[in-house]
Amino acid sequence: DAKTTQPNSMESNEEEPVHLPCNHSTISGTDYIHWYRQLPSQGPEYVIHGLTSNVNNRMASLAIAEDRKSSTLILHRATLRDAAVYYCILRDGLDSGGSNYKLTFGKGTLLTVNP
Amino acid sequence: DTEVTQTPKHLVMGMTNKKSLKCEQHMGHRAMYWYKQKAKKPPELMFVYSYEKLSINESVPSRFSPECPNSSLLNLHLHALQPEDSALYLCASSPGRGSYNSPLHFGNGTRLTVT
Repeated sequence: DAKTTQPNSMESNEEEPVHLPCNHSTISGTDYIHWYRQLPSQGPEYVIHGLTSNVNNRMASLAIAEDRKSSTLILHRATLRDAAVYYCILRDGLDSGGSNYKLTFGKGTLLTVNP
Repeated sequence: DTEVTQTPKHLVMGMTNKKSLKCEQHMGHRAMYWYKQKAKKPPELMFVYSYEKLSINESVPSRFSPECPNSSLLNLHLHALQPEDSALYLCASSPGRGSYNSPLHFGNGTRLTVT
């Protein structure tokens, strides 16, 4: 699986924007960039995904570098409920006989939100 | 509340016991997953079922035995576990073939303690 690198931890203040970086220099042309988060005592939760273009949804925005070797998850106004571990994951979009069902988590970034 | 329901929420078992974890979803998803998560670590994939057939086994010891009796149900049978098997066991589902980039929906897990 192609690998991602994220900072171990980040801190932000409530109601301020948060930019969570992810490096994926070995990304292949068919890899999608997925973000999940895991709040304390809960299972992981899907946040957003994209291939080449920037993406927005109700939870966050995903900015993808032109060379696709890095991406940034943007939370526009952090709240205390956004405190979680954020995982950046590469997932192959090709039909490879089922192996691309795999979703392999890296270490993620622990986001702390200060009131 | 999640759309993937896992029971029980907590389980304590001895090393000679046999127990089962249950997972249920009614979203019509055809791929179902078991993950294991140790404290302060990312989730690790154990098994994937696709259309009720075992698609991926990540070299999991035979004391863990998965079963998918129908498209809505996923079980994990446990036998002769070791204390180091204590962890949070997470179930997830996704639509299935042709939707490889669809998000996984996770349950909130079963917290297993082996004594």
